[in-house]
Amino acid sequence: DTGVSQNPRHKITKRGQNVTFRCDPISEHNRLYWYRQTLGQGPEFLTYFQNEAQLEKSRLLSDRFSAERPKGSFSTLEIQRTEQGDSAMYLCASSLALVAGELFFGEGSRLTVL
Amino acid sequence: AQTVTQSQPEMSVQEAETVTLSCTYDTSENNYYLFWYKQPPSRQMILVIRQEAYKQQNATENRFSVNFQKAAKSFSLKISDSQLGDTAMYFCAFANAGTASKLTFGTGTRLQVTL
Repeated sequence: DTGVSQNPRHKITKRGQNVTFRCDPISEHNRLYWYRQTLGQGPEFLTYFQNEAQLEKSRLLSDRFSAERPKGSFSTLEIQRTEQGDSAMYLCASSLALVAGELFFGEGSRLTVL
Repeated sequence: AQTVTQSQPEMSVQEAETVTLSCTYDTSENNYYLFWYKQPPSRQMILVIRQEAYKQQNATENRFSVNFQKAAKSFSLKISDSQLGDTAMYFCAFANAGTASKLTFGTGTRLQVTL
């Protein structure tokens, strides 16, 4: 049984570069979420998909951020023109729509912007 | 907007003892869910326990139980017979029934279980 997989686990980049994170959810889960977690804080909701449709985006998700889930399977989160404030852990989670709030999280992708 | 407050940044408990983690929340909604998630060091977050606001009975999962006080907007987690493997960050979270998987998290309580 494979859980939620995120790649890369760590990414160090220079300010202004673009980065992309990938999330592979649990295969039968139709919902996929992205959260951001900074040091000393709880995760903050960014966006979520039901199948391939992006149903909601947080105001935290500026125009530099884009997320896709092209075939309702894996998802990518791209950050363009990274800023130091983007440094955080980016968490992906998946769930079945019928089970309220039971999210299965990946181990996260840690981004450091120098 | 909903808020979730965890006022205990760190707690410590001895193995086999009982510990209670506090959580308060603020919402104008009447139908919602509350959760406790556990994030062990360098491992993924997992759901510990869930409570539906319309249920008066407190949820229980093995050694984990909650004290849900809807009028006080309080949702504490009790861990009985603490084990070393309970060492983790614990996050309280809230979700409206309408968007039941969009969670609002508190800032977490770091629990250390000692011998």
